[in-house]
Amino acid sequence: QQQVKQSPQSLIVQKGGIPIINCAYENTAFDYFPWYQQFPGKGPALLIAIRPDVSEKKEGRFTISFNKSAKQFSLHIMDSQPGDSATYFCAASKNSGYSTLTFGKGTMLLVSP
Amino acid sequence: DTGVSQDPRHKITKRGQNVTFRCDPISEHNRLYWYRQTLGQGPEFLTYFQNEAQLEKSRLLSDRFSAERPKGSFSTLEIQRTEQGDSAMYLCASSSLTGTSYNEQFFGPGTRLTVL
Repeated sequence: QQQVKQSPQSLIVQKGGIPIINCAYENTAFDYFPWYQQFPGKGPALLIAIRPDVSEKKEGRFTISFNKSAKQFSLHIMDSQPGDSATYFCAASKNSGYSTLTFGKGTMLLVSP
Repeated sequence: DTGVSQDPRHKITKRGQNVTFRCDPISEHNRLYWYRQTLGQGPEFLTYFQNEAQLEKSRLLSDRFSAERPKGSFSTLEIQRTEQGDSAMYLCASSSLTGTSYNEQFFGPGTRLTVL
């Protein structure tokens, strides 16, 4: 059972575009939703995270939108740059993250110059 | 560098051999996690420790896998009698229970295992 579904699988945008990556979850006990960025050959790096008591969180060019009733959340990357080309994973956890993370399958983003 | 470190970064072994990986978490982090990542997939949880106690193990962790954190600092993950299906990136993450409202996990660079 895939508890966190992520789409699209891959995404190509031009420099300056706003890629949007979507995730949906099933377990209503999840209460912590981080996004990770992973470059080839590297471990995932935490980008930004949100809890369901807010509908949006911004950190720099990265924004998470959260819809609790729909059990969906998304990552927006403003003014995307070629250096943002990487694989992005959404994840979810219970107990404010003090449980293990359940990851989506990832989205491979390519930002063309 | 004060991040999570893993050793070795790459390991090639023959089927049936035993392998051991090491993870050094961020200093003072209480929790240490092991995940496995196969090509095109997100990381999947294997096990985690709080200090030296192993608190949870995934059903993915067969009896050929064993993990230890003997002094609550570094951890080792051993795979006995490796199989080709064990080929994956093994990721370690750590987090602190102190002074945070929620649990941010920080990942190491991983150990890439190839079983021939």
